[in-house]
Amino acid sequence: QQPVQSPQAVILREGEDAVINCSSSKALYSVHWYRQKHGEAPVFLMILLKGGEQKGHDKISASFNEKKQQSSLYLTASQLSYSGTYFCGTGLWANNNAGNMLTFGGGTRLMVKP
Amino acid sequence: KAGVTQTPRYLIKTRGQQVTLSCSPISGHRSVSWYQQTPGQGLQFLFEYFSETQRNKGNFPGRFSGRQFSNSRSEMNVSTLELGDSALYLCASSPAWAEAYGYTFGSGTRLTVV
Repeated sequence: QQPVQSPQAVILREGEDAVINCSSSKALYSVHWYRQKHGEAPVFLMILLKGGEQKGHDKISASFNEKKQQSSLYLTASQLSYSGTYFCGTGLWANNNAGNMLTFGGGTRLMVKP
Repeated sequence: KAGVTQTPRYLIKTRGQQVTLSCSPISGHRSVSWYQQTPGQGLQFLFEYFSETQRNKGNFPGRFSGRQFSNSRSEMNVSTLELGDSALYLCASSPAWAEAYGYTFGSGTRLTVV
């Protein structure tokens, strides 16, 4: 079952902040965040592991609430280059042939306007 | 360091034909996964290979198959193409377990079935 992302779309002005949420009904080992620009491949942003700390670099950070199986991606002081579709991917640690993969949410379209 | 290379970038095929897509992962990465991306279904997992063995398979019909060679390069084959197979096919490489390391995606092969 794929994780649920919200919101589905968001429009921002440069400099504004945004939060994208990812929720799963399963016990997660990891949450991954990717950004995909139109016509390009998804690009890795960060990974959050069970038991790990909140991650971040520059003005993009993320958290992972293990109790709720939820992750949030925080984009602060947004720039035009942040525009794209953001996907969360969830990993279940399975010591069998059901693992070794990520299940992706439906994506959140982010548009940053000047 | 070279990224993930997928060939060809674009492909137009007729219903009933078969197609083979190729993926060369990042040097040293032994895991190769394939995803189908469509506007309606998002990123759907097809299968994952590690050291020439398929470790996991998504919920796709048997017309979709793949293999991995000893140099970690992978191919994906779709037989008896249907209109619904039109999609962007993404290859993702990982050092080992996607849950722990995440993916580096290739630019994809855009398949159009007419």
